[in-house]
Amino acid sequence: GDSVTQMEGPVTLSEEAFLTINCTYTATGYPSLFWYVQYPGEGLQLLLKATKADDKGSNKGFEATYRKETTSFHLEKGSVQVSDSAVYFCALSEAGGSARQLTFGSGTQLTVLP
Amino acid sequence: DGGITQSPKYLFRKEGQNVTLSCEQNLNHDAMYWYRQDPGQGLRLIYYSQIVNDFQKGDIAEGYSVSREKKESFPLTVTSAQKNPTAFYLCASTPGQNSYNSPLHFGNGTRLTVT
Repeated sequence: GDSVTQMEGPVTLSEEAFLTINCTYTATGYPSLFWYVQYPGEGLQLLLKATKADDKGSNKGFEATYRKETTSFHLEKGSVQVSDSAVYFCALSEAGGSARQLTFGSGTQLTVLP
Repeated sequence: DGGITQSPKYLFRKEGQNVTLSCEQNLNHDAMYWYRQDPGQGLRLIYYSQIVNDFQKGDIAEGYSVSREKKESFPLTVTSAQKNPTAFYLCASTPGQNSYNSPLHFGNGTRLTVT
C-alpha cells in the first residue's frame, strides 16, 4: 500500500536558518503530494501541494518539488521565523483506486528560536 | 466564512461511558472524515463518508461509530469498547469523491481525555 516517510523530529533552528524537512513516498500510481502544517492546539492547514512530477508547490516562503525519480517531496524554506514553529505533515493522495483520502507521514515538529 | 466546526474543544469522560464528538461543516462538501492523532504519530483514519447516509470504515474503526444523516454533520461516537480513547480527534472534509487532488479542510479538533 501507499506510505509516506518523513524525517524524524524534533527539529530546532535559529531564526533565519535554512530549513529542509525530508519526505519520501511509496505509491502504486501517480499521486498528488501535499504538505500540511499544524499549529499548537489546532487542526491541519494545507501549506502547499503538487499534482504531477516536476511541479513545485510554494506558499509563505516554503517550497517543495515533486521528484518522481527519487519519490521525494522535501520541504524547504530559506529563512525560518519563530512563527513557523509547528508540526509539518507530508501526505499523498492517489487517484482512482480506493475512495479514501490521504496517507500521512508521522509529522515533524519544528521549533524556531529567536 | 465557510469552515468546519468541532465541539467541544476539550472533553473529559469516565471510562465505560460513550461520548459523541460533533463535526459540522458549511462548505457544502460531500465527503467527510474522522482522524485520530496521538502524540508523535501521524493521522489515522477512523471513518469516512462520501455521501449522506453512507459511510465506510477506515484503518482504526473498532470502538467507534458514526452517522451521516445530513450533509453538514458527521458526528463520531467513541464507545466504551474503544480500548485507548484518549487522543486528539480531527474532522475533515473535501468537495467529493473525485477530489483526490483537493486538499482536506480540517476543523480545530477535539481533545478527548478518558480517565
